[in-house]
Amino acid sequence: KNEVEQSPQNLTAQEGEFITINCSYSVGISALHWLQQHPGGGIVSLFMLSSGKKKHGRLIATINIQEKHSSLHITASHPRDSAVYICAVNGLRGAQKLVFGQGTRLTINP
Amino acid sequence: NAGVTQTPKFRVLKTGQSMTLLCAQDMNHEYMYWYRQDPGMGLRLIHYSVGEGTTAKGEVPDGYNVSRLKKQNFLLGLESAAPSQTSVYFCASSYTFFGGQGGEQYFGPGTRLTVT
Repeated sequence: KNEVEQSPQNLTAQEGEFITINCSYSVGISALHWLQQHPGGGIVSLFMLSSGKKKHGRLIATINIQEKHSSLHITASHPRDSAVYICAVNGLRGAQKLVFGQGTRLTINP
Repeated sequence: NAGVTQTPKFRVLKTGQSMTLLCAQDMNHEYMYWYRQDPGMGLRLIHYSVGEGTTAKGEVPDGYNVSRLKKQNFLLGLESAAPSQTSVYFCASSYTFFGGQGGEQYFGPGTRLTVT
């Protein structure tokens, strides 16, 4: 079983829909990262959070430390949001390294 | 600012050949990382550096060597390439380590390497 699980693996939605991508991890961590990888391959860091909630434009990331769960929300989705979204955690079992989820492939149709 | 750059962008090697991938960052970051990305495996850390002159092993270091002679550059070497090293390689840098304030990772555009 992967230590970082993302769901769903693939998500297709219509433009304008509210999107939620989930990330669960197995044990306590020190920080969680959300990354975006566009079809061209480039990877961009969206958020790093260790508690609570962060917002940037139409993107919102939340984390529940007790439930070992994080969500990435996209409001008013747009075709340019089509990408792979990757969750990564640091501090699993005290180790200073990032453990990555498998990614969620999001496709937004016009 | 260019951010994080990688050279080359593409390379094809024959088994047994050697090569060096160069990563450069202009953000004065202390921490630099090399990852590989394979289908179905996600990103995996190969080696990292916590400052000029330092290197450390990551999750999958075998078959690779690294050097950080200058703060802005992090080199990844393959001494004797194998088909199992066919992958996309990403370099990243950050101000602090993964979990602290300023630990956001800035990624380069990637190098697609094929070993035949």
